[in-house]
Order: sequence, then C-alpha cells, then structure tokens
Amino acid sequence: AQSVTQPDIHITVSEGASLELRCNYSYGATPYLFWYVQSPGQGLQLLLKYFSGDTLVQGIKGFEAEFKRSQSSFNLRKPSVHWSDAAEYFCAVDGAGNNRKLIWGLGTSLAVNP
Amino acid sequence: GAVVSQHPSRVICKSGTSVKIECRSLDFQATTMFWYRQFPKQSLMLMATSNEGSKATYEQGVEKDKFLINHASLTLSTLTVTSAHPEDSSFYICSALSRAVAEAFFGQGTRLTVV
Repeated sequence: AQSVTQPDIHITVSEGASLELRCNYSYGATPYLFWYVQSPGQGLQLLLKYFSGDTLVQGIKGFEAEFKRSQSSFNLRKPSVHWSDAAEYFCAVDGAGNNRKLIWGLGTSLAVNP
Repeated sequence: GAVVSQHPSRVICKSGTSVKIECRSLDFQATTMFWYRQFPKQSLMLMATSNEGSKATYEQGVEKDKFLINHASLTLSTLTVTSAHPEDSSFYICSALSRAVAEAFFGQGTRLTVV
C-alpha cells in the first residue's frame, strides 16, 4: 500500500541553524512528491514538488528537497532557518490514477528558538 | 500560483442545523476537488473526491448522507454538513486540482464549531 512517513513529529531548531525534515514513502513506481507548509489555522502552501528530472528541487522561501530513489526519501532542507518558518510541514505523494489523490504524511511541527 | 477561495473561514452553528462550505477555483478550472478534515495537530484526512458533473467518491468511514458534496461547475464545489453535531466540529480544507500544472491548490480552510 502507498504510504508516507515523516519520522519526526516535532523538531526545534535555533534561528539561523540548518534544518532537515525527513520524508520516506512507499510507492510502486516513481511518484510525484510534494512538501507543503501550514501555518496555524491556515490552509496549505506548496513549498516545492518533484515530478522528474533533477533530483534536487528548489522551492520557495529558501527550501530545497532531494529525491533519493534508493532510499525512497524526499527530505526537505533549509540552510538557515528564520523564526517565520515555524509551522507544520507535510510531505505528500501523488497517489496517481485519474483522481490524483494525495497520500499525506502525519506532519512535522517545527519550532524555532530565537 | 492559482487561487482557491474557501468560504466561510469560520462558522458557528447549532446542533441539528446544516452548514454549507464553498470552495471556488478563481483563475482555473478544476474538474477535481478534494475535501479534507483536519483534527488539531494532526494530518489531513481525505473525506471525499469531488468530480465535476458526477457523484463524489467518499473515503471509507465517511458518511455520504451527512457530508453532502456538490460539484456543479468547473470552479465550484460545496460541502454541506447536515444535521451537525458537536463531534463534527473541525477544520475543513478543500483543494482544487489543476491538471494543467499537475498540482492541487488549497483553500484557507473553514473552522466549524457546532454548539
């Protein structure tokens, strides 16, 4: 069955430190992969996506993610975290098929210390 | 990016009444829209997939008679919570699929409180 695992429920980093949020997926073929960010009480904003090609993907707000087929991973990174990055981060996999249903990870809550 | 408008952003209703939530794609046509429910500090739970001009496909465990979905046009889907109960209180989020860019765009969510 298709699934997405975000091993870290909660992460705290200091402002200016680097960040890596982990995402592993289980899927029968090369998936479409997404990272979304959600601020409290808000909808979701797409940070970046991977469909094919270059496995290092650049997104908005200084985020990047690397697709590693051998590890079934799509980890999100940022070299220097800002206080405004504190939010909930969700990894998702395109479930394919005509309806393009997304399979979601449980999310990682990021706190940023000043 | 494309814009999805979800309305209302917050609603309080009495038990037993019905509440309608609208989801509009403002600058693109969406043949497919998704309705999610999100509990506090949890991930999104897909409730149903809404396809324009046809019946919605509900996920297992979601009562289709309680959560009525209508997708009458390429830019509008509605979710009606019928005979609302306090346990229906939650954050509901819609998304609209843009096949042109193979991406789902999300509304800002609706906080439903049933008293």
